[in-house]
Amino acid sequence: KNEVEQSPQNLTAQEGEFITINCSYSVGISALHWLQQHPGGGIVSLFMLSSGKKKHGRLIATINIQEKHSSLHITASHPRDSAVYICAVRSRRDDKIIFGKGTRLHILP
Amino acid sequence: GAVVSQHPSWVICKSGTSVKIECRSLDFQATTMFWYRQFPKQSLMLMATSNEGSKATYEQGVEKDKFLINHASLTLSTLTVTSAHPEDSSFYICSAPRVRDPRSYNEQFFGPGTRLTVL
Repeated sequence: KNEVEQSPQNLTAQEGEFITINCSYSVGISALHWLQQHPGGGIVSLFMLSSGKKKHGRLIATINIQEKHSSLHITASHPRDSAVYICAVRSRRDDKIIFGKGTRLHILP
Repeated sequence: GAVVSQHPSWVICKSGTSVKIECRSLDFQATTMFWYRQFPKQSLMLMATSNEGSKATYEQGVEKDKFLINHASLTLSTLTVTSAHPEDSSFYICSAPRVRDPRSYNEQFFGPGTRLTVL
């Protein structure tokens, strides 16, 4: 079992829909990152969380440390949001970053 | 906000040549930088930890003689893929933590990545 699990693996939605991507982890962490990877491969860091909730534009990220779970929400989704979204955690034990396999999001116009 | 850059963003080379990839922290100093590799449709995998002023720490299964890492300064780490072969074709990404409080976690900033294609 992977230490960081994301769901769903693939998601196709219509423009305007509310999107939720989930991330569960099994290790103790000091921080959790949400990353966005575009088709060309370039990575953009969206959020870093250690507790609570953060919002940036149409993106919202939440984390529940007790439940070892984080969600990334996209409101009013747009085709340009189409990308792979990756959850990554910083292990408190050895300080290394463990990546989820990513969620491939496709927003249809 | 803090920025980490990588250069080049993509490179194509012939088999047997060496390729150098640079990772720079543009507005903060990083005593540690991390290098990752991502094969198509797979997750990012940590290759090595680059330490300024000392040797890099490699993950199990990563050949240190093939992937040379030099942390030349507090803002620059380089990854050199020596005698590259087609199986080294991959997406290479670096990250650097910005230390605000040594007692606390450090925010990690990711470079945009470098796509290497070895013919």
